[in-house]
Amino acid sequence: DSGVTQTPKHLITATGQRVTLRCSPRSGDLSVYWYQQSLDQGLQFLIQYYNGEERAKGNILERFSAQQFPDLHSELNLSSLELGDSALYFCASSVVAGSVQFFGPGTRLTVL
Amino acid sequence: AQSVAQPEDQVNVAEGNPLTVKCTYSVSGNPYLFWYVQYPNRGLQFLLKYITGDNLVKGSYGFEAEFNKSQTSFHLKKPSALVSDSALYFCAVRDMQAGGYQKVTFGTGTKLQVIP
Repeated sequence: DSGVTQTPKHLITATGQRVTLRCSPRSGDLSVYWYQQSLDQGLQFLIQYYNGEERAKGNILERFSAQQFPDLHSELNLSSLELGDSALYFCASSVVAGSVQFFGPGTRLTVL
Repeated sequence: AQSVAQPEDQVNVAEGNPLTVKCTYSVSGNPYLFWYVQYPNRGLQFLLKYITGDNLVKGSYGFEAEFNKSQTSFHLKKPSALVSDSALYFCAVRDMQAGGYQKVTFGTGTKLQVIP
């Protein structure tokens, strides 16, 4: 158990819908990262937050947004969902930016 | 810009044989390098890291990695492979960005298949 929790574990929804994925980092970790993993795209970095502030953006679509709250948990919002958004979404946390990341178990999103 | 390459999509090795999973990197400064492992339907787990010092780094589950500055490589190794080592392995590199931000870049992953 990495100490990072993600909810829900599985999510099935329809195209055009909006979903919210939630992540609670390890106690004491200030940095939160979001990744998307699909079969054909590998592990794609989406976005990183540090102590509530956005620090880096990767290949994140405009339909996606995220935030980190004062209690350090983070949410990833995916809207206008498309079939191609079906993937595993991982959250990771680290004490500071660039240190060892601890990954959550992931949320498997299926868009039908 | 920093980058990391894992040239092999898949590596097959017989159980009991030594294994190597390759990684090369490109950074502007001193590299901080990591290896992670992902078992099926699980998140990535940290295996080991190189920051400075001894070029041979020992990590979890009997894995080790050899840092080679001249070849800009950080290959993951294990003397004797187990079937349970079958998983997806990711190399990652950390580098300093403008403004003092530390960015980590992951490789594309290498699937290790250990054959009984």
